Formats: sequence, C-alpha cells, structure tokens
Amino acid sequence: DTAVSQTPKYLVTQMGNDKSIKCEQNLGHDTMYWYKQDSKKFLKIMFSYNNKELIINETVPNRFSPKSPDKAHLNLHINSLELGDSAVYFCASSQAGGITEAFFGQGTRLTVV
Amino acid sequence: EDQVTQSPEALRLQEGESSSLNCSYTVSGLRGLFWYRQDPGKGPEFLFTLYSAGEEKEKERLKATLTKKESFLHITAPKPEDSATYLCAGSKGNTPLVFGKGTRLSVIA
Repeated sequence: DTAVSQTPKYLVTQMGNDKSIKCEQNLGHDTMYWYKQDSKKFLKIMFSYNNKELIINETVPNRFSPKSPDKAHLNLHINSLELGDSAVYFCASSQAGGITEAFFGQGTRLTVV
Repeated sequence: EDQVTQSPEALRLQEGESSSLNCSYTVSGLRGLFWYRQDPGKGPEFLFTLYSAGEEKEKERLKATLTKKESFLHITAPKPEDSATYLCAGSKGNTPLVFGKGTRLSVIA
C-alpha cells in the first residue's frame, strides 16, 4: 500500500499549456510538501501545507498554485508552462512539520517542449 | 542563509572498500539532521534522523554520526546494491527540510 502517491509519473506537454499533478498520502500526516528536483538533482522546497493551510511558499512563480482539498491531498497546478519548468516534482508528507522525517512520492517527471 | 553542503559530489568504490560521506551544515537552530537514499527514477527514501551532537545510528552497512557542524555517513564493506545518491537534509523543526546536493555513490563489483 503506497504511502505517498503521485500521478502522473511522466508528463510531457507543450509550452503555454496548463497541467496538474496530484498527490495523496495515506499516512495520516498533518504536513505535506512540494519539492522540485532540477537536472543537477538538487531538491528544493516549493510549498509546505499544514492541515490544508499554506505555511510556506518559497520564491516560486505565481504560475504554480497548490491546492489542498483535505489533509490527505495536495495537488499542484501549473499555468502557462515554460521550458524552465521541466524537472522532477516530488510530493512529500511528514507527521510533525520538519522535526520528523518526510516520506516522498515517486516523483513526476515534467518535460515541457 | 541556511545551507547544507555535501562532499564529495561523486564517489566510486570497489566492493568492500569502506568510506565516508560528509555533510556540513550552516542551519541556525538545527533541530534534526536527516539522511536519505535516492535511486534513479525514485523518490528519496528515509534512512536516519540525528537530533543531537554525538548521536549515532546504524542500519546494515551504514552508520550516521553527528557533530555540531557536520554529519558523516560511514559505509562499511559496501556492496553494489549500495550504489545510489545519498542526500543529507537539515531542519529547524518548523520548516521543511533543506537538502544538500547529494553524493552519487557507485560501488563496483
């Protein structure tokens, strides 16, 4: 039974399109995150949600909009996709913010052409 | 600015050749230091959390240690299946993990 699941695993789309990535966790965690991993494998936080409320929004273009319909789901919607958005996006969750380990999904490889 | 720096960037070992990976951090008010393993095409997999200087944790051939300025991941007699990217991350407790850029480990049979 997958703890943190993301869909889709691969996403290829054209510049200017709008796309969404879905994430669900069945661990009962309060906090969920979106991370971006660039071509050099560097993982950088984008958003952090605690109990459906946005806690942290790093310097991310406002074309990226997270939505948390409930504590177990955190979706990422991206408008007007650009070439530079190509990366692997990871959803993660943790029990008590940053003091406990985060569990990661398998990632969504987004390719903008 | 909070930073986590890992070295070396890449490490190639012969099977059975023990070594250590380094993670130095400048995270003010560090509450936890985390180690993850990431295989190609997969998400990071949690290995260890260290909370205070002097703490050590072990799992199979891996041992993680923590000082006030850095952490080490010691790999004893590695096997090819230990090949992966190892990520270190720091946390202040109320913020998400800040990751280093990882060490890409290759263990050759």
